[in-house]
Amino acid sequence: EVQLVQSGGEVKKPGESLKISCKASGYTFTTEWIGWVRQMPGKGLEWMGIIFPSDSDTKYSPSFQGQVTISADKSISTVYLQWSSLKASDTALYFCARVKYSGYAFGDWGQGTLVTVSS
Amino acid sequence: QSALTQPASVSGSPGQSITISCTGTSSDVGGYNYVSWYQQYPGKAPKVMIFDVNNRPSGVPNRFSGSKSGNTASLTISGLQPEDEAEYYCSSYTTSHTRLFGGGTKLTVL
Repeated sequence: EVQLVQSGGEVKKPGESLKISCKASGYTFTTEWIGWVRQMPGKGLEWMGIIFPSDSDTKYSPSFQGQVTISADKSISTVYLQWSSLKASDTALYFCARVKYSGYAFGDWGQGTLVTVSS
Repeated sequence: QSALTQPASVSGSPGQSITISCTGTSSDVGGYNYVSWYQQYPGKAPKVMIFDVNNRPSGVPNRFSGSKSGNTASLTISGLQPEDEAEYYCSSYTTSHTRLFGGGTKLTVL
């Protein structure tokens, strides 16, 4: 059974850095794309980007390119989403998800990590 | 990239059928048969209901079906059940080798 277990919620101040994680199990981590989706409070889903853990090839949505960094640690089957300087507008629920279908469509999802950025 | 266009809300009575549209461009919905649909309950992770335009994952009731014509994809739910009340999102592959989501449609079962 595929499982994606995300790290717990975070409360940070504007300007701080943050790295949240998602540990995968139940499949071969290195050979499947995995990525992140943002959901701002009361809003819809936004595709952020994906990574292929075998070679760390990444694809970012133009909206998120340069705003966040997606990385992976093959040794512990974990994917990360990182900010170097948080803004209040980064407050959102973040889901990790595994690509399962054609065209990078997600099929399996983590439980979500709530990130709150407030002074 | 702009989000795909979905109606903000649709409604129907139990047993009825409803259709949710998802309109994009030739650079996404119209260009590829890689449209998927997700169901999301408040505060929960999305669940895939349809992939590759009209394929249902194992375990999804056959009341859910998908189709596409030109730049518009559609999700049809027949024989509405109370538990179908949720938010529904379409998603499509794009020429930028990324994906786009629609803005979401709230389905109310009256």
